Parts: sequence; structure tokens; C-alpha cells
Amino acid sequence: SQQGEEDPQALSIQEGENATMNCSYKTSINNLQWYRQNSGRGLVHLILIRSNEREKHSGRLRVTLDTSKKSSSLLITASRAADTASYFCATDPGKLIFGQGTELSVKP
Amino acid sequence: DVKVTQSSRYLVKRTGEKVFLECVQDMDHENMFWYRQDPGLGLRLIYFSYDVKMKEKGDIPEGYSVSREKKERFSLILESASTNQTSMYLCASSSQPGQETQYFGPGTRLLVL
Repeated sequence: SQQGEEDPQALSIQEGENATMNCSYKTSINNLQWYRQNSGRGLVHLILIRSNEREKHSGRLRVTLDTSKKSSSLLITASRAADTASYFCATDPGKLIFGQGTELSVKP
Repeated sequence: DVKVTQSSRYLVKRTGEKVFLECVQDMDHENMFWYRQDPGLGLRLIYFSYDVKMKEKGDIPEGYSVSREKKERFSLILESASTNQTSMYLCASSSQPGQETQYFGPGTRLLVL
């Protein structure tokens, strides 16, 4: 089974709403990263949070990490149609392991 | 900005052909990676390299080989392409040792007939 698993698998919201995606993992990690992939393209790194951090912000992105629950969440505030993409968490228990992603659709 | 380029966006090959996928990065990164991405399976690591002429197997190396003769270039080779190698192939690079931020190329969508 996957080290990192995103939830939900798919999310559809209206522009302006907030989008929350969750990631759970199984083993201890050094850091957790979130990536975005636009349809048919490569992945783009969004944010990295280390195991000793609990929360991190970057623009409209807010990431939290709960190592006791082995989970992380990615919040995108005031979403835009351009945020439509797949979002992946990647965990680092020694090597980078990607989850299967959450497909986010933001409707104008 | 880091730029990772891949030689082709789309590729169609026949079963049994030898296929070369090229990846070039322009930021002097030590580490380079090849993944394949399939629906329902996410990204899976095929091979990676931490230095010139050095390679390490990832999770699914069978049917693939790699070459890294120069620091900026990492090639993925399908010795005898098969239909189950139809996939999206993604190359990535990173600067730090270990598994810090990776920078991805645009991907090559390979169809093997």
C-alpha cells in the first residue's frame, strides 16, 4: 500500500471557496511535500514542511503536519479556476514517495 | 529558475523497439530521477542517480536501464519496448542529498503499439 494517501480522491468547488486536501502516511518522515500537476504536465513543487514544524504558509497555501497522527493537510484559500489540478503529497521516510493525488476542480 | 527538459512530449513506438528518453537539467543538480505515472498507481520510481556514471534501482526497474554520462543529462532506456510500458514518464532533479525538493520536467507520454 502507498506510504502517502490523499483524501479525497476528487474535490469540486466554486471559485472563491476554500479547498482542503488531506494526506496520511505510515512511517516516520523527515519532511512532507506538496506538489501540483496540471493536466498532462510535470509536477510543480508547492511547499515543504519538516517533521519538527506544525504549520507553514505560502501565499494562499496553508499546510499543517501532525506527526502524532501521521497526517497533513493542504488548504488553498480563495480558490481560483487556475487552481484546477491534481495535488500530491510526497513523504520522505528515506526516499521520496508520492501519493496518488487529489483531483481538484474549481468552477468559475 | 530550474529548468528540466525532456526530449519528447509524445512518443509512439512499436513493441520490441529500443526507446531512449532523454532528460536535461540546467541547474547543476547532483540528483536525477525517472518516474512513471499511471492512473490509479500514482508515481513510481524507476531509477535514480546521485552522480555521474552512478545509478540506483528504484521500485520498478525491470525492463528499463539508465545512463548518466554527464551531470546534466539522465537517459532512460527501454531495451525492448512492451505494451505494458505505455505510460507517462517524468524526469526530476534535485540539488540536496537525500530527498528534498524535486524539480520535474513536462513529461513524455509514451504509447507502445
